[in-house]
Amino acid sequence: NAGVTQTPKFQVLKTGQSMTLQCAQDMNHNSMYWYRQDPGMGLRLIYYSASEGTTDKGEVPNGYNVSRLNKREFSLRLESAAPSQTSVYFCASSEGIGNGNSPLHFGNGTRLTVT
Amino acid sequence: DQQVKQNSPSLSVQEGRISILNCDYTNSMFDYFLWYKKYPAEGPTFLISISSIKDKNEDGRFTVFLNKSAKHLSLHIVPSQPGDSAVYFCAASERSGGGADGLTFGKGTHLIIQP
Repeated sequence: NAGVTQTPKFQVLKTGQSMTLQCAQDMNHNSMYWYRQDPGMGLRLIYYSASEGTTDKGEVPNGYNVSRLNKREFSLRLESAAPSQTSVYFCASSEGIGNGNSPLHFGNGTRLTVT
Repeated sequence: DQQVKQNSPSLSVQEGRISILNCDYTNSMFDYFLWYKKYPAEGPTFLISISSIKDKNEDGRFTVFLNKSAKHLSLHIVPSQPGDSAVYFCAASERSGGGADGLTFGKGTHLIIQP
């Protein structure tokens, strides 16, 4: 039982390049999330997906797109990377909508540097 | 404006003593509060939660206290162990929140347990 798996673990991009961060969960959870964590900041929600084919913007969605391919997989795409997107990205899943009744389960993160 | 505040970026405690991590919030609509623990190079893991209908929740060495009138919660770890050294995030959600509203996270407190 792997939980939430993110790939890659590390990535360095040049400004303007694109890439997709992959996330898969094996807990049969309905909800999936993408968060970013910056130094000295808490985690901030980028996008949320309640089920396959549905996505909603979170607090900081600009510059990102997402795709909920199926129940297991939720990918995050940077179309034209910018230095401000240098961050650690966490994917998470939950059985419910992620409030106190259904805690989030996080992956181990992708550390992205944009130069 | 930060709605969830963890005013101590770091806290050092001797092994065997009590660790007390504090969290303040400003949004009176928050009614679920959670603590997550994060080791370096790993994702956050859920530790303990409390609903606003309670003022205390205990799980082994971990106890969370909620003071609604003061909009304050605290996490007590007794006794503190070396494996407790980590960053602790306080998070909150509204009753109708979660999902795209996400959790609101504090900036975290780095707990260091001294031998």
